[in-house]
Amino acid sequence: EVQLVESGGGLVQPGRSLRLSCTVSGFSFGDYTMSWVRQAPGKGLEWVGFIRSKTYGGTTEYAASVGGRFTISRDDSKSIAYLQMNSLKTEDTAVYYCTRDGRLFAYWGQGTLVTVSS
Amino acid sequence: EIVMTQSPATLSVSPGERATLSCRASQSVSSNLAWYQQKPGQAPRLLIYDASTRATGIPARFSGSGSGTEFTLTISSLQSEDFAVYYCQQYNNWPPLTFGGGTKVEIK
Repeated sequence: EVQLVESGGGLVQPGRSLRLSCTVSGFSFGDYTMSWVRQAPGKGLEWVGFIRSKTYGGTTEYAASVGGRFTISRDDSKSIAYLQMNSLKTEDTAVYYCTRDGRLFAYWGQGTLVTVSS
Repeated sequence: EIVMTQSPATLSVSPGERATLSCRASQSVSSNLAWYQQKPGQAPRLLIYDASTRATGIPARFSGSGSGTEFTLTISSLQSEDFAVYYCQQYNNWPPLTFGGGTKVEIK
């Protein structure tokens, strides 16, 4: 069974950093692109970015709203994807989901809430 | 960036009735269009991809159509479990991948 579990969310002050983790099981993690999608409270879905598999260079793509502040990485030996969030803004407050694949999202985690507030 | 526009924002439908949801792209996305269902407190669920292909385990009452810039999700006979928010998403031109703003299907 495919499972994705996010962790690391919480309350953080504006300007600070936070790192989210996505631990997966049930599939060969290293073979897949991994994505992050977020959802502000009461709002719609927003693609954050993804990291390709090592087969495709392990390169990353980001939404303009987070580029330069957020970094996605992966540890294939641990089957974990990370979302490093720096210089957080109040508008980054959202539930953050990790998803498998880079274009279509058939598998999602349960999400982790990040609240940016002073 | 391709902008996805969904209409209506809210659709009030009685159980057993048909629901038709629309999604428009600001430029052609060919058939690279997906639909998701999201219930409160849950992650989205993939319903349809490639504009008209049902994802694994999705009931036949869900159908998708369209290509280019105009797409439709039809739920032929609404069941109680279908009341939710529905999002379209294009994956033709990226980055960025973009979602529509959602249509809430509520009980009439």
